[in-house]
Amino acid sequence: AQRVTQPEKLLSVFKGAPVELKCNYSYSGSPELFWYVQYSRQRLQLLLRHISRESIKGFTADLNKGETSFHLKKPFAQEEDSAMYYCALNAGGTSYGKLTFGQGTILTVHP
Amino acid sequence: DTEVTQTPKHLVMGMTNKKSLKCEQHMGHRAMYWYKQKAKKPPELMFVYSYEKLSINESVPSRFSPECPNSSLLNLHLHALQPEDSALYLCASSQATAGTEAFFGQGTRLTVV
Repeated sequence: AQRVTQPEKLLSVFKGAPVELKCNYSYSGSPELFWYVQYSRQRLQLLLRHISRESIKGFTADLNKGETSFHLKKPFAQEEDSAMYYCALNAGGTSYGKLTFGQGTILTVHP
Repeated sequence: DTEVTQTPKHLVMGMTNKKSLKCEQHMGHRAMYWYKQKAKKPPELMFVYSYEKLSINESVPSRFSPECPNSSLLNLHLHALQPEDSALYLCASSQATAGTEAFFGQGTRLTVV
């Protein structure tokens, strides 16, 4: 069974401070990991995927298979980063398409 | 067009009613999904369609009946729902390949009375 854990329901930082949203996963195969974001009154949208190794809006995330983690980081938070962030795991093989979400972390960036 | 469109946006139905939720995308995606999201909870997968065929049913009660009439459309037929089925129902679509991004609709807010 696949499982995604986001230990922090709420995270508050001040503008310009570094931010790290934690994500740990449990899955026996090779996972595909994503970060999705939901801004206020907007639809859920992709922020990052681990296979792309890209930086979006200053955010990066590295897959650490040894620690089974996929933490999201940004060195200098901005007020517009305030949103709900979900870490998600997509199983492959016969379970292709089964996207499992963590509980989510609400990030608030104070001015 | 990179949008997934869901209709209606809001729906109130009685426990004896029959209604349908609709989802449409024109991105050429061959995988489509239904998720259920309760308040302050993450989305939970209900169904996955791949190339218009049902590939995953997450043990969803039969009062929810999905249908994929073509590669652009996905329906969710509702019958004899319970008040605890009240939730936001999200549709999503993606390429049917590994590591691909899922595009989500705005959802239908369903209230069962």
